[in-house]
Amino acid sequence: AQSVTQLDSHVSVSEGTPVLLRCNYSSSYSPSLFWYVQHPNKGLQLLLKYTSAATLVKGINGFEAEFKKSETSFHLTKPSAHMSDAAEYFCVVILPFTGGFKTIFGAGTRLFVKA
Amino acid sequence: KAGVTQTPRYLIKTRGQQVTLSCSPISGHRSVSWYQQTPGQGLQFLFEYFSETQRNKGNFPGRFSGRQFSNSRSEMNVSTLELGDSALYLCASSFGGSSGNTIYFGEGSWLTVV
Repeated sequence: AQSVTQLDSHVSVSEGTPVLLRCNYSSSYSPSLFWYVQHPNKGLQLLLKYTSAATLVKGINGFEAEFKKSETSFHLTKPSAHMSDAAEYFCVVILPFTGGFKTIFGAGTRLFVKA
Repeated sequence: KAGVTQTPRYLIKTRGQQVTLSCSPISGHRSVSWYQQTPGQGLQFLFEYFSETQRNKGNFPGRFSGRQFSNSRSEMNVSTLELGDSALYLCASSFGGSSGNTIYFGEGSWLTVV
């Protein structure tokens, strides 16, 4: 069965310290993987995506993620957190599906940034 | 380039009423998908349309329906509203031709059922 697991529902870091948001997926196909961020009362904004090119993907606002096929992981990192990074983050997998594609969302990780 | 536009942004309805939400995708995008987001259930997939055809459907009752027009604009309708339908409804669009196509989201329509 295909699934996406975000291992932490909440992550709390201090401003200026590294951020690690973990995502594991399960799929029998080669997936396309995305990270989105949602600020309060807003829609989802694309941070970055992996589509079988370079395994280390750089995104906006200093975020990056590494695709590790052997670990079926796509963890999101940032070297130094800012207060403005406080938001909810979603790991998303898109897979080929009969007649189209299937989009699977992780449950989300809420990031808190302390001053 | 305009993003995904959803209207209305906020609305309040009474139980038993129906509601129609509208979504205008990014120009050139042929796929439009709809999602329901609630604090308890997270993001749940409703349905996806591609070139006016429903290509994929989530596990929602028949009260939830949608359609897509020839210009790729989409509407979703919820009939006989229940309190539990209160949620943020998100629309997203993409080119839709590949699993690598990025999905772009609108700001959402906040529905409150009283």
